[in-house]
Amino acid sequence: AQTVTQSQPEMSVQEAETVTLSCTYDTSENNYYLFWYKQPPSRQMILVIRQEAYKQQNATENRFSVNFQKAAKSFSLKISDSQLGDTAMYFCAFNGDTGKLIFGQGTTLQVKP
Amino acid sequence: NAGVTQTPKFRILKIGQSMTLQCTQDMNHNYMYWYRQDPGMGLKLIYYSVGAGITDKGEVPNGYNVSRSTTEDFPLRLELAAPSQTSVYFCASSYFGQGALYSNQPQHFGDGTRLSIL
Repeated sequence: AQTVTQSQPEMSVQEAETVTLSCTYDTSENNYYLFWYKQPPSRQMILVIRQEAYKQQNATENRFSVNFQKAAKSFSLKISDSQLGDTAMYFCAFNGDTGKLIFGQGTTLQVKP
Repeated sequence: NAGVTQTPKFRILKIGQSMTLQCTQDMNHNYMYWYRQDPGMGLKLIYYSVGAGITDKGEVPNGYNVSRSTTEDFPLRLELAAPSQTSVYFCASSYFGQGALYSNQPQHFGDGTRLSIL
């Protein structure tokens, strides 16, 4: 069974600084997708970024980028130029050949002014 | 463009009562899901459906039932509410295809239902 692990329950960063959230996963599949979702205090689940496992190039979306290490089964999220609006809980998620999304436990990120 | 719509947004139940959480999507997605999120925790899959008439258990199905009579609707039923079912419930949908249609379409989430059982 696939598992997703986020080992950092809480993190904080100063506004305008860079922060990296860690995620590791376990699977025997070769084709899969990885996602980072953001959940602000409003509780909405917002897609931040996605990565296809067959792509070697790391995905980027404006200030958000990932470091995808397939052999190490690692999928970290880097947030550059952190903004107060980035304060939220962040979830790493795995989607394999079943279509089911497996979530990590989440990392609460606090951006400090 | 409504996306995924959940009703109600809040509900308080007494122990032993039953209720149905409604979920509908207008994106013609084949897959639909129900999750629960306990305070400070991640999302756990309760049930999911790969298409009309087909449902399957997720990680935490006990105490819940689902049905999928149409592509659009995927209601979640609690038959005998228990305090342990106090949580925030999310419905989600996505397009998922195998082989040549293998898709990286992400799941679209509803805004959640906060359920308290006292």
